[in-house]
Amino acid sequence: RKEVEQDPGPFNVPEGATVAFNCTYSNSASQSFFWYRQDCRKEPKLLMSVYSSGNEDGRFTAQLNRASQYISLLIRDSKLSDSATYLCVVNIRHSGYSTLTFGKGTMLLVSP
Amino acid sequence: DTEVTQTPKHLVMGMTNKKSLKCEQHMGHRAMYWYKQKAKKPPELMFVYSYEKLSINESVPSRFSPECPNSSLLNLHLHALQPEDSALYLCASSRSGSGRARGSYNEQFFGPGTRLTVL
Repeated sequence: RKEVEQDPGPFNVPEGATVAFNCTYSNSASQSFFWYRQDCRKEPKLLMSVYSSGNEDGRFTAQLNRASQYISLLIRDSKLSDSATYLCVVNIRHSGYSTLTFGKGTMLLVSP
Repeated sequence: DTEVTQTPKHLVMGMTNKKSLKCEQHMGHRAMYWYKQKAKKPPELMFVYSYEKLSINESVPSRFSPECPNSSLLNLHLHALQPEDSALYLCASSRSGSGRARGSYNEQFFGPGTRLTVL
């Protein structure tokens, strides 16, 4: 079983649409959770951390269900600039460093 | 804009060459990482340095040799690489403890990467 699973997509949506991505993880020792965004041929950039209580940053809302080991990302009012690959990432913290496990990413294509 | 810098941006090398990749951060982070990313795949962890000491080597072949000269710098020395080593090499950093470093204890910040081609 893969450690972090995501639907690879692509998700093709028109501008202004709402789109949701889901992710499951298998390691119950995972301590913190993130969504990273990666544009083609660029580095991953932290989009947002994901908290158990759910959190929102502008058009982006992230949810975490620890019991189900499930993470989600909702994007409202999609923009062309949202087109990218979204990586679901879980983290285990060690003494002095952390180890990230990445999902394979979900591709989003927003069209005019 | 990233606060982790990497040089060079692109590198083409032959299988007999020796080259080095460089990474620098000035966020006060004491953990630094090397990742390898192939096309359409997620990043794969190679090495972790914590407080300038190697903490993790993910069974990386010895033709890749990491070095951490100080808390701000991380190098990756390359020798006798194979064409299948062609990839995007990403450096990342994170804070490790108390202090005035940027970010939470768990967030990793990535540099722009070095795109390596081995001929």
